[in-house]
Amino acid sequence: GAVVSQHPSRVICKSGTSVKIECRSLDFQATTMFWYRQFPKKSLMLMATSNEGSKATYEQGVEKDKFLINHASLTLSTLTVTSAHPEDSSFYICSARGIYEQYFGPGTRLTVT
Amino acid sequence: GENVEQHPSTLSVQEGDSAVIKCTYSDSASNYFPWYKQELGKRPQLIIDIRSNVGEKKDQRIAVTLNKTAKHFSLHITETQPEDSAVYFCAAREGANNLFFGTGTRLTVIP
Repeated sequence: GAVVSQHPSRVICKSGTSVKIECRSLDFQATTMFWYRQFPKKSLMLMATSNEGSKATYEQGVEKDKFLINHASLTLSTLTVTSAHPEDSSFYICSARGIYEQYFGPGTRLTVT
Repeated sequence: GENVEQHPSTLSVQEGDSAVIKCTYSDSASNYFPWYKQELGKRPQLIIDIRSNVGEKKDQRIAVTLNKTAKHFSLHITETQPEDSAVYFCAAREGANNLFFGTGTRLTVIP
């Protein structure tokens, strides 16, 4: 299947700082990328849909000013968690969609202290 | 929007036995149904998918069936092996919309 990379894989930051997570589709162009959050032993919760060249569409309950998404090109989307707090600690996974299939990045474990 | 339900939440089978995981969906317009396998701390991996124009698809020990009338689809794993142990997620999507995921099934294959 297609390859999606995500960086960093782990990050620890202090409360109040911002963290940027990058998601890249390495061998295909993804017009649409998704950002998910996953709590331990839970399913994937869609946070937002990111379309190249346009504003992201956020799911209900997700603060767009806190979770900034930029989809600058067909192969790169970034998620910035602004003014992070301990409750933002989670596993964040991006996903890129081809024609039908949707592939996931390896995830980023964010810990806010 | 779409609502996907998945059962069971946990499943234990003896090595060599079969495992079946079932999902139902609510939106009759959904036409794409992938299954993902997620090992602890890893990314979900697409293992098989089916589109609404077919009723069954098989890939070695894995098969998926789809009943559009009843709006349910199932994952079948035969001759299970310990490395099949993971969390499995079903999902459904209509056209270019988002994937809606089930709540996951933790499969344990006992050697």
